[in-house]
Amino acid sequence: DAKTTQPNSMESNEEEPVHLPCNHSTISGTDYIHWYRQLPSQGPEYVIHGLTSNVNNRMASLAIAEDRKSSTLILHRATLRDAAVYYCILRDAAGGTSYGKLTFGQGTILTVHP
Amino acid sequence: DGGITQSPKYLFRKEGQNVTLSCEQNLNHDAMYWYRQDPGQGLRLIYYSQIVNDFQKGDIAEGYSVSREKKESFPLTVTSAQKNPTAFYLCASSPGRSSTEAFFGQGTRLTVV
Repeated sequence: DAKTTQPNSMESNEEEPVHLPCNHSTISGTDYIHWYRQLPSQGPEYVIHGLTSNVNNRMASLAIAEDRKSSTLILHRATLRDAAVYYCILRDAAGGTSYGKLTFGQGTILTVHP
Repeated sequence: DGGITQSPKYLFRKEGQNVTLSCEQNLNHDAMYWYRQDPGQGLRLIYYSQIVNDFQKGDIAEGYSVSREKKESFPLTVTSAQKNPTAFYLCASSPGRSSTEAFFGQGTRLTVV
């Protein structure tokens, strides 16, 4: 399975932008890049996903490198409610042995300071 | 409301007993997943199912069993063979295609004493 690498932790101040990096150097051409976040004692929630082009939604933006070996989740104005563990995940769409799997890594713990 | 429901939220069992965790979804999703999360750790995949009557082992399937007899239900049994069953268990579902998002339940915290 293609792996992702994220920093263990990051910090930000409230109302400032946050850029959360993810490296996925072994990504295949059919892997979708997904981001989820998890608040304490809750199940993860979907944030955003993309394949090749940058994506925007009401929660965040996803910037994907041209070679697709890395991506960045952008929170435009961090709030205290954005403090969570953020997971970057690859999902195989090609029908290979890992098709359908949804595998999480360790994620990045984001701390937001008032 | 559509969603995914795990019950109970907290579960206590004596060592050596099998216990079954419930996961139900009314989202008409094909795929369902079970994860285990230990304190300060990420999610580890136990089992997943892409269609009724079919399921595959994840990364830590030993000591666990599942069934998928109905599309909306994917119960997980923690057997006495699981050496360290105390953990937070999360269930998820998705339409199945890799371009779609997954939805998670609120989890069941299992404590074995």
